[in-house]
Amino acid sequence: TQLLEQSPQFLSIQEGENLTVYCNSSSVFSSLQWYRQEPGEGPVLLVTVVTGGEVKKLKRLTFQFGDARKDSSLHITAAQPGDTGLYLCAGPSATNAGKSTFGDGTTLTVKP
Amino acid sequence: DAGVTQSPTHLIKTRGQQVTLRCSPKSGHDTVSWYQQALGQGPQFIFQYYEEEERQRGNFPDRFSGHQFPNYSSELNVNALLLGDSALYLCASSLFSYNEQFFGPGTRLTVL
Repeated sequence: TQLLEQSPQFLSIQEGENLTVYCNSSSVFSSLQWYRQEPGEGPVLLVTVVTGGEVKKLKRLTFQFGDARKDSSLHITAAQPGDTGLYLCAGPSATNAGKSTFGDGTTLTVKP
Repeated sequence: DAGVTQSPTHLIKTRGQQVTLRCSPKSGHDTVSWYQQALGQGPQFIFQYYEEEERQRGNFPDRFSGHQFPNYSSELNVNALLLGDSALYLCASSLFSYNEQFFGPGTRLTVL
């Protein structure tokens, strides 16, 4: 069974601070996705990383895929209250690309 | 272009009852996946429908069943409800099973 562990589980910071959240596994994934979910809504895809060592930037968000494709990180620069939400990582099953395994997420609160 | 829609938004049932949740995929999508998201956890894959057939299934009992209609919309049925079935049920659609998934807002099911 492929598992994804996310840390920290909760993170509360002040506006303007930087932060990094992690997504780790003992299994190799062909790709990993990062989602943001707000209360009462479904997850919204932020990015997909595919190549080991890949770095993708989305405005103030930087996503990195580990060289061995077993882990990923999300770094937010100068966090804003609008970044508040649940950040989830997910990866396709090794045996069925259509079945996604999700981590339990990091709940981020950015205080003004 | 409507995204993924789900109904109802909220539902309250009692133990032992049966429930049907509905999902309309994003226009142009032909694959629907269902997920259960318990409070404080990431989404757990229930099953996936493509061409009106269940193609993949997660670790959920037979009490969970589904259907996909010719217009690609889908239903999730849960029989003999248990307290532990209380969760947010998410529907995600994609074009084929391995492409980017778009999530609906979910149905919040409470079992009393």
